[in-house]
Amino acid sequence: AQSVTQLGSHVSVSEGALVLLRCNYSSSVPPYLFWYVQYPNQGLQLLLKYTSAATLVKGINGFEAEFKKSETSFHLTKPSAHMSDAAEYFCAVSSQIQGAQKLVFGQGTRLTINP
Amino acid sequence: NAGVMQNPRHLVRRRGQEARLRCSPMKGHSHVYWYRQLPEEGLKFMVYLQKENIIDESGMPKERFSAEFPKEGPSILRIQQVVRGDSAAYFCASSPTVSGNTIYFGEGSWLTVV
Repeated sequence: AQSVTQLGSHVSVSEGALVLLRCNYSSSVPPYLFWYVQYPNQGLQLLLKYTSAATLVKGINGFEAEFKKSETSFHLTKPSAHMSDAAEYFCAVSSQIQGAQKLVFGQGTRLTINP
Repeated sequence: NAGVMQNPRHLVRRRGQEARLRCSPMKGHSHVYWYRQLPEEGLKFMVYLQKENIIDESGMPKERFSAEFPKEGPSILRIQQVVRGDSAAYFCASSPTVSGNTIYFGEGSWLTVV
């Protein structure tokens, strides 16, 4: 079975500071890993994904994540936080079923940006 | 190319009524997924369907919940005799037939049971 643990349900940073959201996964097979962002009362938007190519993955809005197999981690970072980054962030791992993907999500991390 | 379309966006039902949530996948996508997000929680997989077939319903509650994806028309998630605990956001997602390593989410349907 696959699982995801997001360390810290709430993270607060100052505008312009580094954003670091932590995600550790468990998977018996090489995983596909994803980060999604959810703004209030909206759906999920894909930020980036890891699919066994480059271990450093760049996504939208200046976010990136690094896949570290030895640490079973896929932490999300952004060098300089912007007020518009305030949202809920979800890490997810997928298992492949019949050619498609079924996602297992973490509990989410709510990011707050302080002016 | 329109995204995954869900309706209604917001639905209020009294206890004991039925709720029907609709999802039209992205054009060209034949895989549909339903996820539920309870308050203050992450999304939980409910069911995965292809046209006219339920492939994996391991996340569906055993009673009152059903899903379909007919040959024509949207996918429907049906909840009979709703209870307060069914209040949640229900998200539909779809993926392409061949290259399925990304799924695209709709904006969700928020069900409130009063």
